[in-house]
Order: sequence, then C-alpha cells, then structure tokens
Amino acid sequence: QVQLVQSGAEVKKPGASVKISCKASGYTFIQYSMHWVRQAPGQRLEWMGWINAGNGYTKYSQKFQDRVTIYRDTSASTDYMELTSLTSEDTAVYYCARDRLQDTLTFDYWGQGSLVTVSS
Amino acid sequence: EIVLTQSPGTLSLSPGERATVSCRASQSVSYRYLAWYQKKPGQAPRILIYGASARVTGIPDRFSGSGSGADFTLTISRLEPEDFAVYFCQQYGSSPYTFGQGTKLEIK
Repeated sequence: QVQLVQSGAEVKKPGASVKISCKASGYTFIQYSMHWVRQAPGQRLEWMGWINAGNGYTKYSQKFQDRVTIYRDTSASTDYMELTSLTSEDTAVYYCARDRLQDTLTFDYWGQGSLVTVSS
Repeated sequence: EIVLTQSPGTLSLSPGERATVSCRASQSVSYRYLAWYQKKPGQAPRILIYGASARVTGIPDRFSGSGSGADFTLTISRLEPEDFAVYFCQQYGSSPYTFGQGTKLEIK
C-alpha cells in the first residue's frame, strides 16, 4: 500500500533552516510528482511547491520562492523540502502530498505531517 | 492569489439528508480546476472530486460536484454516517494552488 512517511517534529530558532523528508513506498516513486503543503495553527492549508516526477522540474509558490527548495533522492524514494530563514510565522505542520498522477496538481496520498515549531 | 471561501462553516444534518457545500472563488477558476476533499480526524485528506465534477475512482456516487467560473458546489445526496467530516475545496487552475477554509459537516 502507498505510504508517505515524514521525518519527525523539529524545533528551530528564528533565522534557522529546516529540512523535512518524505519517504515513499508502495508505488513506483519516479512516476509520481510530490507537493508540499503546510497548515499553520488555525489557518487553512497552504500549498508551497512541487517537484515534477517526469522532468525534475520544481515550482514554488511565490510566497516561498526565495526560501524553499524541494528535491528528491530517487535512489532512496525520498523527497525533501528545505525552508530557510525561519520566523515564528513558519510554525506549522508540513505535509508531503502525492500528485494523483504526474501533474494533475491534486493529491491522493498524504504524509502524516511534520510539526515545525519556530521559537526563540 | 485566488481566495476560496466556503459556506457554511458548519452544517448540521441528519443521516439520509442532503448536504450542499459551497466554494466561492475570488476570481474565475481556470478550466474548472476545482477539487474537493474529505478530512476525518486522525486521517489524511481524501480526494473526492476533481475538475469540478469528476468523481475519483471508488468514491460513492452520492458525492457530486458542480459549478464553473467562481462558484462551485459539493453535494452529498443522502448522508451516510461515515460522511460526517470536514470538507474543503482546492483550486489548481492558477498558482499558487489554494484551499478553502473547510466546512464541518456534523450530525444533527
């Protein structure tokens, strides 16, 4: 069965960076793209960006363009999302979400979420 | 950025009744690229509808989606006990792809 297992919770200081992993299993990793979505406390889901499985192309929300990097290690069936220059507003649960195919931009499987707390 | 506003925030209904959830966009959603998800506590979201009205394989036909432009609707024709959950919409017609704030469907 499809599983997306994310790395654990992180506590970071303002200005630091965080890297979250999303290990995939149960399907052919290279055939599906991956998105990253976050949800801050009391807020709606917020799409951050994605990596296209077919060509490795990445696209980011303009809001995070200067601070986020999404990449994958196909040998490990793992996607990564790195966010730099953290502020308290980045405190949120971060999810990886698999694209239903390669580029539908909709999501069929989600990771369990990784809580990132930014606090001095 | 397209802002999606769902209404109502909470919907109280009984099993067997019909549920209607609205998702209104701040501007037209290109190509009707609007999806609906169901979220239950402790579970990941489940996609129900994409392209405004196409049901994902395996989703019961009591779930239907409609709409175009900036107004979209999710309808559950006859509520089953397992349908009580949070529903949210997502537009993927223009980046950044955005989500509605969610509608809680609760048992009356």
